[in-house]
Amino acid sequence: QVQLQESGPGLVKPSQTLSLTCTVSGGSISSGSYYWSWIRQPAGKGLEWIGRIYTSGSTNYNPSLKSRVTISVDTSKNQFSLKLSSVTAADTAVYYCARDSSGSVFDWGQGTLVTVSS
Amino acid sequence: SYELTQPSSVSVSPGQTARITCSGDVLAKKYARWFQQKPGQAPVLVIYKDSERPSGIPERFSGSSSGTTVTLTISGAQVEDEADYYCYSAADNNVVFGGGTKLTVL
Repeated sequence: QVQLQESGPGLVKPSQTLSLTCTVSGGSISSGSYYWSWIRQPAGKGLEWIGRIYTSGSTNYNPSLKSRVTISVDTSKNQFSLKLSSVTAADTAVYYCARDSSGSVFDWGQGTLVTVSS
Repeated sequence: SYELTQPSSVSVSPGQTARITCSGDVLAKKYARWFQQKPGQAPVLVIYKDSERPSGIPERFSGSSSGTTVTLTISGAQVEDEADYYCYSAADNNVVFGGGTKLTVL
């Protein structure tokens, strides 16, 4: 069974770049046909899709975040990553990584809280 | 971009049928999924392709679609079904979640 685990700094200063990594275990990130996604949720609010990278390497980003987001994959480490630049307090949220088959599979990591504060 | 609209809250008594709607133009041409999220937990997929149920999801969860609206139905809602529910759809290399519906079962 595939498991996902987010990791990265829990505190980021305003204007800096938020960097998170999702480590995939129990399966290869380069096998199958999956979207490897990032989703966030501010405290007490709804889910917001950030973006995704397909097994082929193609990426899609939320138009509202596109200018600040980069998602990449490191197949040698079985990881994928999120970089969000020029962060503000509005980027404070629980960040989830996920595996999406576009069908019946949508596996989530447990989530990691990132706070933007000086 | 496009939007998905859900009611902010729905309330039912245990054993009753709960219905949560999700509306948006994209739903006329793309499938919807539904996620359940309990406090402090990651979401769980409960419906995909409008009406399909992943393995392990109880039969009381069902989905339907009509035009630009999809509906999640929980037949005989149980106390443990109390949670936030989010619809989701993807089109044109973009993904959107509905705003979420808090289901209260009491």
